[in-house]
Amino acid sequence: EPEVTQTPSHQVTQMGQEVILRCVPISNHLYFYWYRQILGQKVEFLVSFYNNEISEKSEIFDDQFSVERPDGSNFTLKIRSTKLEDSAMYFCASKTGSNYGYTFGSGTRLTVV
Amino acid sequence: DQQVKQNSPSLSVQEGRISILNCDYTNSMFDYFLWYKKYPAEGPTFLISISSIKDKNEDGRFTVFLNKSAKHLSLHIVPSQPGDSAVYFCAASADDYKLSFGAGTTVTVRA
Repeated sequence: EPEVTQTPSHQVTQMGQEVILRCVPISNHLYFYWYRQILGQKVEFLVSFYNNEISEKSEIFDDQFSVERPDGSNFTLKIRSTKLEDSAMYFCASKTGSNYGYTFGSGTRLTVV
Repeated sequence: DQQVKQNSPSLSVQEGRISILNCDYTNSMFDYFLWYKKYPAEGPTFLISISSIKDKNEDGRFTVFLNKSAKHLSLHIVPSQPGDSAVYFCAASADDYKLSFGAGTTVTVRA
């Protein structure tokens, strides 16, 4: 069964450093998302991406965050200068044109120290 | 974001019995509702969904009921199996496809 692949599974970084979280969505999917879950809290929407541009972003997704689909297969989330409160599980997801096709990756656990 | 609420953080049920998970929402623009299952160290896995034009959707052991007037949905799992032990998330979306999640309910199925 097709799956969304995320790398790395765990990333530890020092506060203030830049991190790039990588995702390979399902090949025929058109919509791409990043969500995050801080330990003990809800899964929260960060950003959606369609047709090579951001279609919507949450208030969490400030200027420190950016997304890119550099080569038609990868979908990356960059955090420019990490803060302690960025520590969370980050989930990439992709979907077709219907809600039914929403598929999540296994997540990247980001730990900022 | 309190648009989707799961008020029961945990549920313990005996194997073979019914598990009922509840979810309430506040945004009347939501028109699609989904349930996801999540194991530790894995991403959410789609379980079942329902459109706002329906009041029931069934898939094997899983049935989702939607009561639009009460802004309430529930997931029934029957019979419950040990492999069903996981965190279950209710999610909802409007036509923007962005998902709003509930806080999750941890289900433990006892042998």
